[in-house]
Amino acid sequence: GESVGLHLPTLSVQEGDNSIINCAYSNSASDYFIWYKQESGKGPQFIIDIRSNMDKRQGQRVTVLLNKTVKHLSLQIAATQPGDSAVYFCAEKGGNYGQNFVFGPGTRLSVLP
Amino acid sequence: DVKVTQSSRYLVKRTGEKVFLECVQDMDHENMFWYRQDPGLGLRLIYFSYDVKMKEKGDIPEGYSVSREKKERFSLILESASTNQTSMYLCASSWRQGNQPQHFGDGTRLSIL
Repeated sequence: GESVGLHLPTLSVQEGDNSIINCAYSNSASDYFIWYKQESGKGPQFIIDIRSNMDKRQGQRVTVLLNKTVKHLSLQIAATQPGDSAVYFCAEKGGNYGQNFVFGPGTRLSVLP
Repeated sequence: DVKVTQSSRYLVKRTGEKVFLECVQDMDHENMFWYRQDPGLGLRLIYFSYDVKMKEKGDIPEGYSVSREKKERFSLILESASTNQTSMYLCASSWRQGNQPQHFGDGTRLSIL
């Protein structure tokens, strides 16, 4: 199996419940944020992004919330499904990072039947 | 859909060998990136390129080099492979202008024996 994420925090949720995954970012000058999903054996997949002039953005079953005051980002997944089981990590860009992203360590989401 | 293709999913090489990892993207993206992903350490940037013939060191360039002879292709080279370079290698690409997500390939799991 895939070894990425062996030491990651894990969030276990019941199928059908809502999931909330949190991320603390480091640079107050960051102005663009992304959530990625990485399934076992695959590369990171873009889920949703948000710019710093927004505090909430919704997609299909997912919502991202941005709190710039405390440098906190969260990903909410509605009606979690088995296919949502993966490692999720946030990425920030801007300020002195230039065009590059800095990635968070990730959280493993485990969906229980 | 953006497609980032990495030439090998799994690769086994010996210490001291010169190793080439290839990445091709089909979206005419200016930016391309090479990361390695290790348990507990997240994604770390090795090298990046914002244009053909251009390359910049990332956070952990030692022991690696890159080549960008064509816009769509970005190669990572391990000059003399060592066991501490055993890792998952991920290639990504993105547009240069504005805030745009990076799109990743499915990775190459490289083992150095």
